[in-house]
Amino acid sequence: QQQVKQSPQSLIVQKGGISIINCAYENTAFDYFPWYQQFPGKGPALLIAIRPDVSEKKEGRFTISFNKSAKQFSLHIMDSQPGDSATYFCAASIEGYGNKLVFGAGTILRVKS
Amino acid sequence: EAQVTQNPRYLITVTGKKLTVTCSQNMNHEYMSWYRQDPGLGLRQIYYSMNVEVTDKGDVPEGYKVSRKEKRNFPLILESPSPNQTSLYFCASTFLASNEQFFGPGTRLTVL
Repeated sequence: QQQVKQSPQSLIVQKGGISIINCAYENTAFDYFPWYQQFPGKGPALLIAIRPDVSEKKEGRFTISFNKSAKQFSLHIMDSQPGDSATYFCAASIEGYGNKLVFGAGTILRVKS
Repeated sequence: EAQVTQNPRYLITVTGKKLTVTCSQNMNHEYMSWYRQDPGLGLRQIYYSMNVEVTDKGDVPEGYKVSRKEKRNFPLILESPSPNQTSLYFCASTFLASNEQFFGPGTRLTVL
């Protein structure tokens, strides 16, 4: 049973478009929500993260939107570029609980030039 | 350069032949963890360690062993590999006070 559900499984976006990936969680004790980016042949790397005391966090072209009541959060990639083509994982954890991350299933993003 | 290294990067083996995948980090991190990545399932934690000689099971520990004799090293041991352990394996590390985990480059294991 997956505690963090991620959709879609794959996504194709035109260059310059907006990529949106959604995640939903079940455990209300989760209080840290990171997104990891993984390029082929590489390990995942932290992209951006949010805590539930804010509804949105923006870093450059990447934005996390967080809806605590709906237990959902999403990653928006504005002005998507071919270099953004990668697998994206959402995750959740409980701070102070041994750094344990629970990952979503991943979304393969392809940005067409 | 701060990094997590894994060896080997690729391994093809046969059922029942014991193997070890090594993981080493040079960042003095207390916390280390092993994940397996399978299509449609994301990354699932196998084992983790919060410090030397302290290890605990993750979500999918069956068929795996780990040890943490030194702070920098966290090997993953498959005593009797089976085909269902064919997967992509990642080691990760972080400080206990941090939330950002640093991942190694991965080990692709095939068990025939």
